Amino acid sequence: EPEVTQTPSHQVTQMGQEVILRCVPISNHLYFYWYRQILGQKVEFLVSFYNNEISEKSEIFDDQFSVERPDGSNFTLKIRSTKLEDSAMYFCASSEDWWVDGPTNEKLFFGSGTQLSVL
Amino acid sequence: SQQGEEDPQALSIQEGENATMNCSYKTSINNLQWYRQNSGRGLVHLILIRSNEREKHSGRLRVTLDTSKKSSSLLITASRAADTASYFCATDGKYGNKLVFGAGTILRVKS
Repeated sequence: EPEVTQTPSHQVTQMGQEVILRCVPISNHLYFYWYRQILGQKVEFLVSFYNNEISEKSEIFDDQFSVERPDGSNFTLKIRSTKLEDSAMYFCASSEDWWVDGPTNEKLFFGSGTQLSVL
Repeated sequence: SQQGEEDPQALSIQEGENATMNCSYKTSINNLQWYRQNSGRGLVHLILIRSNEREKHSGRLRVTLDTSKKSSSLLITASRAADTASYFCATDGKYGNKLVFGAGTILRVKS
């Protein structure tokens, strides 16, 4: 079965440094997402991306965060100046586009995550 | 908030028993989904039930949806040790394009 792949699996960085988390979504999917999960807590939505632009973002996704689809296969999340509280597991996900009366989600395919540790 | 909230937070059962997890949510939805997460891994989609469906089966999984009560349940029958994982419900907003996850139920199946 096709997979979403994420690299690196672990990233350790110093507070204030920039990090880029990388994802390769499933090739025929059109919606891309980033979620994060702080240890032992719920999975939180960060941002969704469709047709080369952000379609929705949460209050967590502030000016320090950005996403990019630099080519036809990669989808990246950049954190410009990391904070201690950014330490979490970051999950990339993708889904097929599917419309009913408006955009609606079918199932999401998740990558295995990048564990980000900010020291 | 449209977040799903699961209960119980944790459930420990013996192999062969059935496990039932519940989810409540607050806003109108197009569908509700259940995902599983093994420790330290990504989430895996288990089953999706649409707002006009009341019950759905997939193998040992049975999901019900009551939109009048804004609640859903996931039943795993004849549980196995390999079912040990966290289980999350996720809802979409009727006009949104994101899934919002609940806090999850940690299921432990003892052999």
